[in-house]
Amino acid sequence: EIVLTQSPAILSVSPGERATLSCRASQSISNNLAWYQQKPGQAPRLLIYGASTRATGIPARFSGSGSGTEFTLTISSLQSEDFAVYYCHQYNNWPPGATFGQGTKVEIK
Amino acid sequence: QLQLQESGPGLVKPSETLSLTCIVSGGSIRSSDYSWVWIRQPPGKGLEWIGSIFHSGSTYYNPSLKSRITISVDTSKNQFSLRLSSVTAADTAVYFCARHVTVFGVLYYMDVWGEGTTVTVSS
Repeated sequence: EIVLTQSPAILSVSPGERATLSCRASQSISNNLAWYQQKPGQAPRLLIYGASTRATGIPARFSGSGSGTEFTLTISSLQSEDFAVYYCHQYNNWPPGATFGQGTKVEIK
Repeated sequence: QLQLQESGPGLVKPSETLSLTCIVSGGSIRSSDYSWVWIRQPPGKGLEWIGSIFHSGSTYYNPSLKSRITISVDTSKNQFSLRLSSVTAADTAVYFCARHVTVFGVLYYMDVWGEGTTVTVSS
């Protein structure tokens, strides 16, 4: 089973600053990685798939990079609506199934 | 625009069976470009994949839940369902249904999600 490890668990950032989130896979997953944003009381929202492709309607300040085992989600200039929990998800290894990272919470500094 | 809506009881007694339905609107559940998935989130915790079902009815289940899960699809009603048997307090969670982008039978990412429904297991 592939394990995804996200870091840091909590990231404190001031509005307007850059945020860099990491997701590490326990074995290579090529570029089969997605990122989701979840706000309190809401469903996750797809941000990035294929490690670096923005989903429809996602602002350009969100960017993804990486391949193999190391991946990064960057938010170039944090807006108030970006404070949320972010999850990575690998879909390279079927079966046994989808796996998610444990999440990174981006909070206001 | 495709929308998903979960429905089902918010309270289930221990040892009973949890049953949820996801109604798909604004698109067909029969499309071979997509599969359908259930995911849950215990209070204050992360996301856990429960299982996925292809439009054909083939299923993939989380090995840790496999013995208790049944996911089915009803194309005539454009909906799919989850049954989780012998529930305990550990099954208390928000349950989400979602659409799974599928390419040549391979499951990719989830691009549309329902809003989620809270299920509490308690006597």
